[in-house]
Amino acid sequence: QVQLQESGPGLVKPSETLSLTCTVSGDSISTYYWNWIRQAPGKGLEWIGYIHYSGSATYNPSLRGRVSMSVDTPKNQFSLKLNSVTAADTAIYYCARDDGYFAYWGQGTLVTVSS
Amino acid sequence: QSVLTQPPSTSGTPGQRVTISCSGSSSNIGGNTVNWYKQLPGTAPKLLIYSDNRRPSGVPDRFSGSKSGTSASLTISGLQSEDEADYHCAAWDDTLNGPVFGGGTKLAVL
Repeated sequence: QVQLQESGPGLVKPSETLSLTCTVSGDSISTYYWNWIRQAPGKGLEWIGYIHYSGSATYNPSLRGRVSMSVDTPKNQFSLKLNSVTAADTAIYYCARDDGYFAYWGQGTLVTVSS
Repeated sequence: QSVLTQPPSTSGTPGQRVTISCSGSSSNIGGNTVNWYKQLPGTAPKLLIYSDNRRPSGVPDRFSGSKSGTSASLTISGLQSEDEADYHCAAWDDTLNGPVFGGGTKLAVL
């Protein structure tokens, strides 16, 4: 049974870097593409980017170079970094496996940007 | 502002049939398949329909999807109280080189 679990700080100060990790169980990260998706309060879903176990990643241009992703194959984890955060980055952040659709999601983690 | 356009809300009574629309463009819905997700409050989205009209195992056949041109629809027949949720459409976008979503439609079962 495939499970994903996000972890990381729930509070980040403005201008600092948001860092989250997604731990995958029940599947090897060395298959598929792995995504980060976020949902601001009361808003729709926004794709942040995806990464392959090889380290190749594609990001949403709307995040203007603030985002980076990485994989840790031995730990079966992948990570997200979003720098220079503002209040607009306050959202629930989800990780999800990409099968051409998102059949497996983490439960989501709320990250609030506030001083 | 979401790339795909959905009505913010809709409603129906138990047993009724409701349809939720999702409008896009040639770079997303017009050239790629559409997926639908159901989201209950405080939970992650759950895959409901994939590849325009296919249901994952466990999804009742009351849920169906269709697509025509640059628009797609999700139809729920025999509406039940547990169908009250937010519904999101999504499709790959060739310009973005990633998936795009609708803003979500809140379905109320009256």
